[in-house]
Amino acid sequence: DTAVSQTPKYLVTQMGNDKSIKCEQNLGHDTMYWYKQDSKKFLKIMFSYNNKELIINETVPNRFSPKSPDKAHLNLHINSLELGDSAVYFCASRTGNYGYTFGSGTRLTVV
Amino acid sequence: SQKIEQNSEALNIQEGKTATLTCNYTNYSPAYLQWYRQDPGRGPVFLLLIRENEKEKRKERLKVTFDTTLKQSLFHITASQPADSATYLCALESNQAGTALIFGKGTTLSVSS
Repeated sequence: DTAVSQTPKYLVTQMGNDKSIKCEQNLGHDTMYWYKQDSKKFLKIMFSYNNKELIINETVPNRFSPKSPDKAHLNLHINSLELGDSAVYFCASRTGNYGYTFGSGTRLTVV
Repeated sequence: SQKIEQNSEALNIQEGKTATLTCNYTNYSPAYLQWYRQDPGRGPVFLLLIRENEKEKRKERLKVTFDTTLKQSLFHITASQPADSATYLCALESNQAGTALIFGKGTTLSVSS
């Protein structure tokens, strides 16, 4: 019954590889987000989609590309991974002007 | 640039006392202010939302105040319990299209029995 689910939970990969993180929400929400939480625990918005349309694209390297096949899914693809990409990535969703529902996070470690 | 400051990184209190966490912001006019709880290894969990035209919101042992003149929110947990130990995040959002929640760095609360 997980509301916002992310896979994988942990991801360890070498520099230069390409990887994807998947997110699905079963809440019927129309807006989804990707946030990055760095080692200092600071949460920063990366992208937002509303009904499959990109509405927020913060200053993020273009190696990061979000894809929303439908309004229940928002995936994050990362090309040419770098050491500095190591962080925890959170997917979230919301409807209207209510609180966000976050997934449990994907801890990405680039070695 | 927009800035959100949460008064301290860590707050230690005794069980049964009231915990008060502070969130200050600058260069921003939020329409909504939200508080989240985050436990280690987990995603943030929504607690309360307060609108710019509201002064106070309550939910069980939680109370949030919002002063747009002082640009400050206070988050209170009354009769605190060890289970309240977690990191609490303040987050702001404007009414402008194409914006999302921006978060403070959080205050880690430890409640000892």
